[in-house]
Amino acid sequence: EAQVTQNPRYLITVTGKKLTVTCSQNMNHEYMSWYRQDPGLGLRQIYYSMNVEVTDKGDVPEGYKVSRKEKRNFPLILESPSPNQTSLYFCASAPRVTVNSPLHFGNGTRLTVT
Amino acid sequence: AQTVTQSQPEMSVQEAETVTLSCTYDTSESDYYLFWYKQPPSRQMILVIRQEAYKQQNATENRFSVNFQKAAKSFSLKISDSQLGDAAMYFCAYRRTSRGGSNYKLTFGKGTLLTVNP
Repeated sequence: EAQVTQNPRYLITVTGKKLTVTCSQNMNHEYMSWYRQDPGLGLRQIYYSMNVEVTDKGDVPEGYKVSRKEKRNFPLILESPSPNQTSLYFCASAPRVTVNSPLHFGNGTRLTVT
Repeated sequence: AQTVTQSQPEMSVQEAETVTLSCTYDTSESDYYLFWYKQPPSRQMILVIRQEAYKQQNATENRFSVNFQKAAKSFSLKISDSQLGDAAMYFCAYRRTSRGGSNYKLTFGKGTLLTVNP
């Protein structure tokens, strides 16, 4: 089944403890992206990747890192999480940017930082 | 920068009735895409309907249809014969037409929470 898989689904951590949220897609998509969803703000893009080893900042990149060493994986790294990063996170992927295709979303990761 | 505005934080509808969710957007582009996504309590982001700006005909998907007014920059979603399973948060989103090397970014509105009453 074609899908975007995020893990974990829920994560509770403490301030300053490094964490990684994994994202994997099995559709051979070139494009991948991370969004965060906050009440009253909708979804906002954190980082995106056009292809392997090509990443760039979205609208709210502060406090996050990403890497794209393989086409299928795009982990989101929080080196020193803070309570304002408590949010619902979504990974998404799409075929080549020039193809008219909707984004495929993962099922989300609910992160709580205390 | 593009912005998307959903002016109705919450809406409610009786089962089997029709409801319309509003969305306006701001852009200087002439070619772009517009989307409605549904997010049920399971948190999944489900694409409901998509509209290409260059198409004058309004998109339709079963009970879901849009009223796309390009000059007014308006993109409302109409749900006919509402069902209990339609209860969800609905997001309107904008995406510029992709050109080589550009970000495939969706700009979302803040969402409208739809309640369906039996």
